[in-house]
Amino acid sequence: GENVEQHPSTLSVQEGDSAVIKCTYSDSASNYFPWYKQELGKGPQLIIDIRSNVGEKKDQRIAVTLNKTAKHFSLHITETQPEDSAVYFCAASADSGGYQKVTFGTGTKLQVIP
Amino acid sequence: KAGVTQTPRYLIKTRGQQVTLSCSPISGHRSVSWYQQTPGQGLQFLFEYFSETQRNKGNFPGRFSGRQFSNSRSEMNVSTLELGDSALYLCASSLWGGGTDTQYFGPGTRLTVL
Repeated sequence: GENVEQHPSTLSVQEGDSAVIKCTYSDSASNYFPWYKQELGKGPQLIIDIRSNVGEKKDQRIAVTLNKTAKHFSLHITETQPEDSAVYFCAASADSGGYQKVTFGTGTKLQVIP
Repeated sequence: KAGVTQTPRYLIKTRGQQVTLSCSPISGHRSVSWYQQTPGQGLQFLFEYFSETQRNKGNFPGRFSGRQFSNSRSEMNVSTLELGDSALYLCASSLWGGGTDTQYFGPGTRLTVL
């Protein structure tokens, strides 16, 4: 089955610096890669996603890149702010017999130091 | 549009009891997936329902079961509770549950088994 590895598990950055979280996946059939942000006491919230026909996608301070050949994708957050502090999960999704099969990474706890 | 709602938000049960959790998806979404989240195991897939049918199931014992109603609302049931069942149970809905379909999560139900 699919295996998604996520690094680092914890990340501390100074406010205003950039943060990068990397994920690798094993199933070449995966074609959808969402990123979720989970704040304490809340469910994961989708922040950005990318599909396999796209190499990069940006949304204000957040960007995601995908390298299908190497089977890895990354989340980039620029000009970090204290409210970016949360746990971030990557995921890889593939069609499996007509339904979705989603595998999540183990999460990265991001701390932005004011 | 209202998001995914889950009830109750918190539950405390004792070993051996059973519990039922409820999830109302985003209006128009027909696929509902359930996940168990624990600090040690991360986000683990339980099962997915579409049009009242279970389409996909994770590696959990038969004590974990679910169902979906004609209005797409879903319930999951855990019988003979064990201490290890203490977790955050998350529900996610999507339009049709296909490989590139976006999942939206609810706030979760925090289950504590004593």
